[in-house]
Amino acid sequence: GAVVSQHPSRVICKSGTSVKIECRSLDFQATTMFWYRQFPKQSLMLMATSNEGSKATYEQGVEKDKFLINHASLTLSTLTVTSAHPEDSSFYICSARDPTSGRGSSYNEQFFGPGTRLTVL
Amino acid sequence: RKEVEQDPGPFNVPEGATVAFNCTYSNSASQSFFWYRQDCRKEPKLLMSVYSSGNEDGRFTAQLNRASQYISLLIRDSKLSDSATYLCVVNWATDSWGKFQFGAGTQVVVTP
Repeated sequence: GAVVSQHPSRVICKSGTSVKIECRSLDFQATTMFWYRQFPKQSLMLMATSNEGSKATYEQGVEKDKFLINHASLTLSTLTVTSAHPEDSSFYICSARDPTSGRGSSYNEQFFGPGTRLTVL
Repeated sequence: RKEVEQDPGPFNVPEGATVAFNCTYSNSASQSFFWYRQDCRKEPKLLMSVYSSGNEDGRFTAQLNRASQYISLLIRDSKLSDSATYLCVVNWATDSWGKFQFGAGTQVVVTP
């Protein structure tokens, strides 16, 4: 299957700092990437859809000025958590679709990165 | 009401036994259905897609009931390595790429 990487895997920062998380599709081009957040024992919640060359589409309740998304190339999307606070501590996961994947009805399968665990002190 | 609902479990299953659980979804326009597996503190990984006619992949069988709006997963001959959280994922194609809705997951614990 397609491979998606994320960096860093873990970050601990002080309240008020900004944190950038990178999501890369390693062996395919992804015009669309997705950013999710998962709190302990809860479901993955879609935060935004990242579109290469255009603005991201944010889900209701997600502050676009706080979670900056840039999708500058077909293989890289970045999520920047600006002025992070302890309540932003979470597991952030990106995913990407491989439009060339030919697995029948799973044509819209998403491949997930390994996640970034953010802890804000 | 949550759009995708799952019994959180845990389902404690003796090794070698069979376990089954369901997932209900609220959007009747949902088009694609998946089961993902998530190990503790790791990313989700696709276990199998769920086809309208039902499908089997080794010890795993998935079923879709559109009339009642639920999907199911059955695991036969459970292995210790099957211990994980199983995420139900529903996709309705409101646009070219659709939108994934995740259930909160069903935890399965296989015991020796």
